[in-house]
Amino acid sequence: GENVEQHPSTLSVQEGDSAVIKCTYSDSASNYFPWYKQELGKGPQLIIDIRSNVGEKKDQRIAVTLNKTAKHFSLHITETQPEDSAVYFCAASMGSARQLTFGSGTQLTVLP
Amino acid sequence: AAGVIQSPRHLIKEKRETATLKCYPIPRHDTVYWYQQGPGQDPQFLISFYEKMQSDKGSIPDRFSAQQFSDYHSELNMSSLELGDSALYFCASSRGHSKNIQYFGAGTRLSVL
Repeated sequence: GENVEQHPSTLSVQEGDSAVIKCTYSDSASNYFPWYKQELGKGPQLIIDIRSNVGEKKDQRIAVTLNKTAKHFSLHITETQPEDSAVYFCAASMGSARQLTFGSGTQLTVLP
Repeated sequence: AAGVIQSPRHLIKEKRETATLKCYPIPRHDTVYWYQQGPGQDPQFLISFYEKMQSDKGSIPDRFSAQQFSDYHSELNMSSLELGDSALYFCASSRGHSKNIQYFGAGTRLSVL
């Protein structure tokens, strides 16, 4: 089955700096890669996703890049704010209505 | 906008008891997924349903069963509860078999004493 590895497990940045979280996946059949933000005691919230037919997607301060050849994808958050502090999960899926396999999560702390 | 509704939010049970978790998907969503998240862990896929039929099966114990009803809500039934079943249980829903954008509920925190 699919295996997703995520790094780093913890990340602290100063407010206004950028944060980068990286994930690798094992199964080349995976074609959908969402990122979720989870705050304490809440459910994962989708923040951005990318499909295998594109290499980059951007939404305001958040961007995701995908390298299918190397089987890795990354989340980039620019101009970080304290409210960006949360656990971020990457995930991979092999297609429509299929299960998500999650990475182990990154605890992001934005220091004011 | 309406979100995925899970009930109850918190549930306390004793070993060997049974529990039923409910999930109401976003309106017009026809696919429901169940995930289990242990403390400090990532969500692990349990089972999913599309149009009331089981779609995928993950690491769901034989003691657990689930179904999706005609109104698309889903229930996760857990029997012979063990201490290790204590976790957050999330339901997610998506719309249509051609897309896979999963939206998660707030979860049910199950504590087995």
